[in-house]
Order: sequence, then C-alpha cells, then structure tokens
Amino acid sequence: AQKITQTQPGMFVQEKEAVTLDCTYDTSDPSYGLFWYKQPSSGEMIFLIYQGSYDQQNATEGRYSLNFQKARKSANLVISASQLGDSAMYFCAMREGSNFGNEKLTFGTGTRLTIIP
Amino acid sequence: KAGVTQTPRYLIKTRGQQVTLSCSPISGHRSVSWYQQTPGQGLQFLFEYFSETQRNKGNFPGRFSGRQFSNSRSEMNVSTLELGDSALYLCASSLGRGRGGYTFGSGTRLTVV
Repeated sequence: AQKITQTQPGMFVQEKEAVTLDCTYDTSDPSYGLFWYKQPSSGEMIFLIYQGSYDQQNATEGRYSLNFQKARKSANLVISASQLGDSAMYFCAMREGSNFGNEKLTFGTGTRLTIIP
Repeated sequence: KAGVTQTPRYLIKTRGQQVTLSCSPISGHRSVSWYQQTPGQGLQFLFEYFSETQRNKGNFPGRFSGRQFSNSRSEMNVSTLELGDSALYLCASSLGRGRGGYTFGSGTRLTVV
C-alpha cells in the first residue's frame, strides 16, 4: 500500500484564490512527521511546512497552513491568496517513528500546481 | 547561512562508467540523506549518513554507495552506470535528531547515454 497518496496530479488555480492540495498517509506508527515541499522547475526542494503527529495545533507558515485530520490520516496543504510564483510541483512526505536515527522521508507522487493570471 | 551545496549540477556519463556526486550540508548539520528522483519512480530514498556512519539504506542495488567525511560532507558513488540511473539526485541535510525540517540541495542531474 502507498504510504503517501496525492490524488491530484495537476491543478489550475486563478491568481489570488486559495488552493488546497490533498495528501493522505498510511502508518501504524503513533509517532510520525508530515512535511510539504515545493519543487520549482529548477529542481531544488523547498521546505514549506511541518506537522508532528502529537502536535495539537495545525501548523501555519505565512500563506501556508496544514489541515491536519489525524483520524482521517490526511494532511492537506492550504495556500492562501495564491501567487504566480506558487506554480511548481508540491510533494507531501512522511517520516515515521520517533527513534533517533530514522531520517528517511517517504514522498508522494506530487501535484503540479499552475497559477493562472 | 550557506545552504546545501551539490556538485556538479549536471553530468553526462556513458553506460558502464562510474560517477561520484558531492553534497556539502549546512554548517552544523550532521545528517545527510540522498534521494533519486525519476519521472517513473518519483522520489526514492537511497541512504542516510550521520557522523560518518550509514544509518539507513533504501532498496537500491549495491552499485549505489556513499560515504561521509568528518566535516559532514558526503559523496555518493554509482558504479557500472545503466541508462535507468539517469535521474535527479538530491541530497538533504538535517541535524539528525529526528525532528525538524530537511534542507535540500539543488540536485545533480545525471544523464547516462
């Protein structure tokens, strides 16, 4: 079974609108971390936001927020007031376990977001 | 502060050759992870090094290897290159303590012909 599922291969959104990128995950470990990364066409992966499994509040970073629904195992990224520079691939990723030394990230297949002027 | 530096940015190699890629992490970061990104397989974990020791390894053949030096810089090596090794290779650095974000480099785009 896929550990990280991103069901939206591509999305087109009008500039200034809000957009939600979906991510569901699968793990039996009670301790895990969820990440969102942005990858522009240049290739580098840019860290956007992090949510720990024990965090009580949804994470927010500027225009980015993470809608964390633990019981549903979903961690959707919300971008408010989208900008042309938001056009990129977006990846959801998970790190499982709390053991010191587990630094492996499992990535979803990504969503290509295109912002329309 | 300086980010994660990967060299070279682009590389073209012939089947059967070997290649070495380099990653310099953020100062103070002791963990370096490597990922392979291809259109078909997506982003896949190769291995992770912490304080010169490999702690985690992904499901890749033995042709893929790596090492980490005392200054935390890491190299990965691919021997006997195959066409399917053509990919973007990304490295990420972190403190290595199981929490927090990972900072990625810009990647090395390897083309095998």
